[in-house]
Amino acid sequence: GAVVSQHPSRVICKSGTSVKIECRSLDFQATTMFWYRQFPKQSLMLMATSNEGSKATYEQGVEKDKFLINHASLTLSTLTVTSAHPEDSSFYICSAAKTGRRNTIYFGEGSWLTVV
Amino acid sequence: DAKTTQPPSMDCAEGRAANLPCNHSTISGNEYVYWYRQIHSQGPQYIIHGLKNNETNEMASLIITEDRKSSTLILPHATLRDTAVYYCIVRVAGGYNFNKFYFGSGTKLNVKP
Repeated sequence: GAVVSQHPSRVICKSGTSVKIECRSLDFQATTMFWYRQFPKQSLMLMATSNEGSKATYEQGVEKDKFLINHASLTLSTLTVTSAHPEDSSFYICSAAKTGRRNTIYFGEGSWLTVV
Repeated sequence: DAKTTQPPSMDCAEGRAANLPCNHSTISGNEYVYWYRQIHSQGPQYIIHGLKNNETNEMASLIITEDRKSSTLILPHATLRDTAVYYCIVRVAGGYNFNKFYFGSGTKLNVKP
């Protein structure tokens, strides 16, 4: 079946540095991908929509200069957390839609970011 | 914003059916009901979806009331591996927001031996 993969699955970075998380659709093309953030014991919060070949669109309250999104190809979107701080520590998850009769959304395995 | 309401937690005995309710009283005629689950520290996993008819697949059954204001996800024979947070999501049928999912709080299902 369709698979969405994220890398890295876990990353630790120092405060003030930037970290990049990749989201790949492994066996289908996705013109649109989505990024979510999830804090412990909370639900997933939609951050932004990643659009292939154009700018990402951000949900209200999400800083676009803080969370840079690039969707350079039909199978890859990246999320860069810039100038990371400990409060950015979270579980980041991406999703992508495989078009077809079911048009199901598939989620990646998630990436744990810890900022120390 | 999430348009669904679910109980925060439920218990179920292993081998018994788990019935997870969801209220979506403001659902529009062209909106689907989707169910996903999230096992600890993993990405959400698709379970089933429906519009107005009841649906069944290898994982579960989805019962949608005639007025579509609520639905129930049924896991016919729950196992310990079904312990997870279950999310009921309303999804628009098309347009720009088609693939956006707004998650509610979900229901933590505890399957006990």
